[in-house]
Amino acid sequence: DGGITQSPKYLFRKEGQNVTLSCEQNLNHDAMYWYRQDPGQGLRLIYYSQIVNDFQKGDIAEGYSVSREKKESFPLTVTSAQKNPTAFYLCASNTEGLSTEAFFGQGTRLTVV
Amino acid sequence: AQSVAQPEDQVNVAEGNPLTVKCTYSVSGNPYLFWYVQYPNRGLQFLLKYITGDNLVKGSYGFEAEFNKSQTSFHLKKPSALVSDSALYFCAVRDRRDDKIIFGKGTRLHILP
Repeated sequence: DGGITQSPKYLFRKEGQNVTLSCEQNLNHDAMYWYRQDPGQGLRLIYYSQIVNDFQKGDIAEGYSVSREKKESFPLTVTSAQKNPTAFYLCASNTEGLSTEAFFGQGTRLTVV
Repeated sequence: AQSVAQPEDQVNVAEGNPLTVKCTYSVSGNPYLFWYVQYPNRGLQFLLKYITGDNLVKGSYGFEAEFNKSQTSFHLKKPSALVSDSALYFCAVRDRRDDKIIFGKGTRLHILP
């Protein structure tokens, strides 16, 4: 089945440690996105990539980093510079074109203690 | 700047009654509008979209949305609510300048049995 997979579903880390969240898609989509979701704040865009080896900062990129070495994969690293990393992280992808809807992974809930 | 507003944080509707979840938008040029639904601890699922054509768009699970250009609105509707419709609903718009997807803050829909 085609889809977008995020792993792990739950992640616990100690403060000061970097952590990488995985996002893989087999939909042959060009564009991929990372969002952060906090209660009452909706979805905020962290990074997005429209093509392999290229990505752009979203609205809240500070403290995060990404790579896009393969079309299928768009991992997100939450660094120790991120002041408040505990959140629900969502990855999405879509084909090129403004009229296409996005497909979402099931999310990773990161808790930093 | 492109933006989406969902003026209600929460909407309560009795089962069997019609429901409306409001969305207004601000875009330059023709809008590409979307509705998504999110169940607890899950990713977002696509419901429907407006690209062009008929102002009344039909989507998944009996939902529909009415596009109103003069009021810059794209309200989500359903003739008869089900308890299983209880979830978090997001309105979104595609940004024509850089292909980003911009989400509203979400509206929590409670269907009361």
